[in-house]
Amino acid sequence: EADIYQTPRYLVIGTGKKITLECSQTMGHDKMYWYQQDPGMELHLIHYSYGVNSTEKGDLSSESTVSRIRTEHFPLTLESARPSHTSQYLCASTASRSGGYTFGSGTRLTVV
Amino acid sequence: AQSVTQLGSHVSVSEGALVLLRCNYSSSVPPYLFWYVQYPNQGLQLLLKYTSAATLVKGINGFEAEFKKSETSFHLTKPSAHMSDAAEYFCAVGGDDKIIFGKGTRLHILP
Repeated sequence: EADIYQTPRYLVIGTGKKITLECSQTMGHDKMYWYQQDPGMELHLIHYSYGVNSTEKGDLSSESTVSRIRTEHFPLTLESARPSHTSQYLCASTASRSGGYTFGSGTRLTVV
Repeated sequence: AQSVTQLGSHVSVSEGALVLLRCNYSSSVPPYLFWYVQYPNQGLQLLLKYTSAATLVKGINGFEAEFKKSETSFHLTKPSAHMSDAAEYFCAVGGDDKIIFGKGTRLHILP
């Protein structure tokens, strides 16, 4: 039973389109994260948030943006999608570093 | 600062054989350590975690890991591999403000 939800699971869009990937969690976690992962490859942190109105860029430069206006919601937006954005995007949350992260099922994005 | 090194990007074992996935960590504070599993087109699922209680940690699906401070290791083992264990495995260490993930080890199970 997932406590963190990502939609859509799969998305194919054309170059130049604006898209928003949704991530919501029901656990009341303050800390939330977005990772980018190519198939079979390592995770790259692209954005994180420690609470409402708090957002930071991660270790990997990304053309995406995020917002956190509610604790449970942490959407990621691409203003103009490009083929180089084709990847899997994983959302995660945690209450503390000792508890580990809970991950969503991911969104696999393909930009054509 | 914290870091994680997973030895071997690919590991192959025969069905029924011992699974051993290696992980070494570096941490400037008492570490929290994790193993995650990822099946194709899925997110990561927590297998087990070490949080300074018992050094031998048991997780789901028959996996366990032993924390060895002197060796800065947290290797993952399973006595008998099953075909369903084929997946990507990530070791991770709890950093000051984020969890740091290793690059992952792909486990292949040979029939």
